[in-house]
Parts: sequence; C-alpha cells; structure tokens
Amino acid sequence: SYVLTQPPSVSVAPGQTARITCGGNNIGSKSVHWYQQKPGQAPVLVVYDDSDRPSGIPERFSGSNSGNTATLTISRVEAGDEADYYCQVWDRSSDHPVVFGGGTKLTVL
Amino acid sequence: EVQLVESGGGLVQPGGSLRLSCAASGFTVSSDYMSWVRQAPGKGLEWVSIIYSDGSTYYADSVKGRFTISRDNSKNTLYLQMNSLRAEDTAVYYCASSSGWSLYFDYWGQGALVTVSS
Repeated sequence: SYVLTQPPSVSVAPGQTARITCGGNNIGSKSVHWYQQKPGQAPVLVVYDDSDRPSGIPERFSGSNSGNTATLTISRVEAGDEADYYCQVWDRSSDHPVVFGGGTKLTVL
Repeated sequence: EVQLVESGGGLVQPGGSLRLSCAASGFTVSSDYMSWVRQAPGKGLEWVSIIYSDGSTYYADSVKGRFTISRDNSKNTLYLQMNSLRAEDTAVYYCASSSGWSLYFDYWGQGALVTVSS
C-alpha cells in the first residue's frame, strides 16, 4: 500500500509562513489533497489537486507537488490556523485506494 | 446545499454489531464516491471503506471481512454495517463524499462516535 509521511508537528509565529510537507514515492505523479481539522470538528478540504482551493478557503492557503514531496503552504499565519493538517491521495490502482498521511499539528506560537 | 448526517453510533460490547447510516441531501449518493473515514481518540484520520459510483467497494485491511459498505439509492443514504467489533474499532466515524475526478472529499458529515467496550 502507498504510504504518505508527514512531520508530526510544525510551529510558526503569527504572520510568518508555515510549510507542511507530505512525502510519498513519486507523489508528484499523483493529485494531492489537504484537509484542516480543528478539535472536535470534521475535517475541511483546504487544497485539492495539488494547488486548487475550494470556494471560501483563503488565498493564504496554497499547495505544490513535485518529485517525492508535496507541500501545503500557509502564508501570513493567523491564530485561527492552528489545527491538524492531513494530506491525502487516491491510489487508483490499489485495493486500498484512499491514503491519508499521519497528520501534522500546526502550532501558532 | 450539500449535507451529510450520520446516525447509529453508540456503545457496543466486543463481538457485537452496529450499523451506521449517512443520510445525504443536495446530491445523489449513487453519483459520487462515498467513503467512511474514522478517527480513534487522539489519533489521525484512517480510511475505512469506499463505494464507487459503479458499485465497486474497497476496505482497509483492519476491517475487511467484518465491515460492509452499501448504499440505498431510494433513500439517498450510505451505510456501514460493522460486525465482530473490537476495542480498536472505537472511533468517531465520518462519512465523506467526493464529486471530484481525483477523489478528494469535499463534504463530510459531523461524525458518529462508536465505542466498543464491555
């Protein structure tokens, strides 16, 4: 089964830029999606297809994907961005087609 | 407006069964990818099962042979039948839908808590 690897935690000061990585074998050949989850709430899609944003998601959220690493970038970080972030891909040739990364806790200092 | 509403969670003894329901509105469950994702207390998201629009179904190894995903098009509802439940199945179970060609989950339910304990 395909494996996605995320750092357990990332810390950033308000107003700075946070980068959360998602590693996978040749992940650049797949479409990567990112979710934000705040305590006690369901996940929310913040980036899909590597770099597209659903309506209502601020432009501060952006994504990139190349080689073996995809990255979620949050610019001008705000206190309200503190949450867990998960990457996800569709491994369409597999019997386990939906793969999530282990999640990254973003702490705003 | 798209909405997913789960029901059927609760406390069950090890070895018992439970059926989760996910009532959809604003779209047709048969036309999208529909999935169950769970989250054990303090842990990350874990994919459980998915049903494609063509009816194909897939399961995580941890639940294969014990859980069954299905849908009732007339009720526009997704189900997860859970048998032979174990303590490690304790989690919040989310239903999620994907309208995208690349299978991203753009809509999620509020979650249903399943507790397996004696």
